[in-house]
Amino acid sequence: QSALTQPASVSGSPGQSITISCTGTSSDVGSYNLVSWYQQHPGKAPKLMIYEVSKRPSGVSNRFSGSKSGNTASLTISGLQAEDEADYYCCSYAGSSRVFGGGTKLTVL
Amino acid sequence: QVQLQESGPGLVKPSETLSLTCAVSGYSISSGYYWGWIRQPPGKGLEWIGSIYHSGSTYYNPSLKSRVTISVDTSKNQFSLKLSSVTAADTAVYYCARESIVVVVAAPDWFDPWGQGTLVTVSS
Repeated sequence: QSALTQPASVSGSPGQSITISCTGTSSDVGSYNLVSWYQQHPGKAPKLMIYEVSKRPSGVSNRFSGSKSGNTASLTISGLQAEDEADYYCCSYAGSSRVFGGGTKLTVL
Repeated sequence: QVQLQESGPGLVKPSETLSLTCAVSGYSISSGYYWGWIRQPPGKGLEWIGSIYHSGSTYYNPSLKSRVTISVDTSKNQFSLKLSSVTAADTAVYYCARESIVVVVAAPDWFDPWGQGTLVTVSS
């Protein structure tokens, strides 16, 4: 299995919106609505931000939203804040296996 | 509140077996969920190693399957990872996490919560 494809980096100014894509195949993202997203700050464990493509856990800001079209899932962060600067990873179920994306570094300018 | 804590040697010699344990508090492993191991080499991304269902069924990353064993000890409320024949490429922070199931499709989806992670270095 190959890692899901994410852009290496994205950036945006405070208050703006950004979208991070996560491209897989018909064997993972395309076949299941089982995509999750994680935020990771340096030296910290990943934190769940989105599950089941578009659901937000309790306590996660509604500035974070998820969607999927075909083999590509997306994470959108609106109203960027300095604290959003972190690495973001997608993950998909792949039929008894799981596959992560390579990660995207978000810089808040 | 469910909490997970990894433990094990921080240094392993090449060709030996890496062994880690994840102690779970606040929830009984035997009650449900999958329980997984994920690793992150220094400066790199996350890699799923494998997961074990509370009943003992295991699922492994195909690229690591020949070297990985995940087991569960319900009496101690913990699960373990063994990775054999390690090389420098196995140097990473190893995380354990609970993996939730989407009931309507009877399949796992998200990892939450996570342990704090433990760095394992493979070096002689």
